[in-house]
Amino acid sequence: QVQLVQSGAEVKKPGASVKVSCKASGYTFTSYYMHWVRQAPGQGLEWMGIINPSGGSTSYAQKFQGRVTMTRDTSTSTVYMELSSLRSEDTAVYYCAREGMGGNLAGWGQGTLVTVSS
Amino acid sequence: SYVLTQPPSVSVAPGKTARITCGGNNIGSKSVHWYQQKPGQAPVLVIYYDSDRPSGIPERFSGSNSGNTATLTISRVEAGDEADYYCQVWDSSSDPVVFGGGTKLTVL
Repeated sequence: QVQLVQSGAEVKKPGASVKVSCKASGYTFTSYYMHWVRQAPGQGLEWMGIINPSGGSTSYAQKFQGRVTMTRDTSTSTVYMELSSLRSEDTAVYYCAREGMGGNLAGWGQGTLVTVSS
Repeated sequence: SYVLTQPPSVSVAPGKTARITCGGNNIGSKSVHWYQQKPGQAPVLVIYYDSDRPSGIPERFSGSNSGNTATLTISRVEAGDEADYYCQVWDSSSDPVVFGGGTKLTVL
């Protein structure tokens, strides 16, 4: 079955960077796009961007352009999301999610809490 | 960019039918997907392509989409259906994945 296992919680200071990993299993890694979505405490879902694990191409939400980088390692079936110049407003749970049919997000990782605090 | 509007909250008694709406300009021309999120858990896809159910999702969950409104309908509501529900579409704009603001379903 499809499994997406994310790295553990992080605490970062303002201005630092964070890199979250998402290891996929149970399917052909390069056959499905992967998205990153975040959720601030008590708030809704916010789309951050998408990566094609096959060729590595990416597309980022305008809000995160210049601050986010998504990469992948096909040898370990892992995608990464790095967010730089962190501020308190970036405190959130970050999810990876595998794309399904018609642009839906059919499978989600368990989430990684990133806390930005001085 | 494309905007999806959901009511912040919907309340329903057990055994009754809950309807959660998702409004957007000509949303009937797009495919709408719905997610359920319980506290402390990741979202789960419950409806895709407006009205299709992934395997494992009860038949009590159904969806429709026409004009400017998509609707998630939950029949014979149970206490375990209490959760936040989000609609989502794929848009051709610069940020292609768009979520509604979410609706908190309360089972009375």
